[in-house]
Amino acid sequence: GAGVSQSPSNKVTEKGKDVELRCDPISGHTALYWYRQSLGQGLEFLIYFQGNSAPDKSGLPSDRFSAERTGGSVSTLTIQRTQQEDSAVYLCASSLVGTDYNEQFFGPGTRLTVL
Amino acid sequence: AQSVSQHNHHVILSEAASLELGCNYSYGGTVNLFWYVQYPGQHLQLLLKYFSGDPLVKGIKGFEAEFIKSKFSFNLRKPSVQWSDTAEYFCAVSTNAGKSTFGDGTTLTVKP
Repeated sequence: GAGVSQSPSNKVTEKGKDVELRCDPISGHTALYWYRQSLGQGLEFLIYFQGNSAPDKSGLPSDRFSAERTGGSVSTLTIQRTQQEDSAVYLCASSLVGTDYNEQFFGPGTRLTVL
Repeated sequence: AQSVSQHNHHVILSEAASLELGCNYSYGGTVNLFWYVQYPGQHLQLLLKYFSGDPLVKGIKGFEAEFIKSKFSFNLRKPSVQWSDTAEYFCAVSTNAGKSTFGDGTTLTVKP
């Protein structure tokens, strides 16, 4: 397909509600990453999926955050009981590990606002 | 585990000034090195990359970066910046295992 797509592009929710963010990587890309970008901050790594290996969850900030990748393709990032500090842009990227030396292709992001 | 350090958080230059953004990484093995750029309102995109060969790498829009293995550095340079170079710049390192680590980013503001 074209590039990495993410949905929704914007999400406004109330504190305490759960949200799900979706990422469709480039077809055939084996690696998928989730990052968080807060205003004025850099890229905060959240989680990394690579093929059938166990995901690297070392960047998830709390147990309210979880992610899954079904069928090695689409990924969903879930945030439970959202807090105001969760407000940020959530970026997804995919790459084809082993070729192109792991260049990542980024989606447009989902801007999450927790009121 | 690898780590990436970008020394400058915010750089302000006038047009035609020269640019150098510092990037140092920490990892003992073979790495692939990248600079990504995020223009206002746009996606993150690749600016240039190094994986082997000539340590001086040229990218889009007149940018270049030099890999100095002994210093674990991959600094980004441009001889003469333009207003349109205003953006956020991220250095990243990737190992052959695939996982990438990004620096905190440098915001470049070019005054016309």
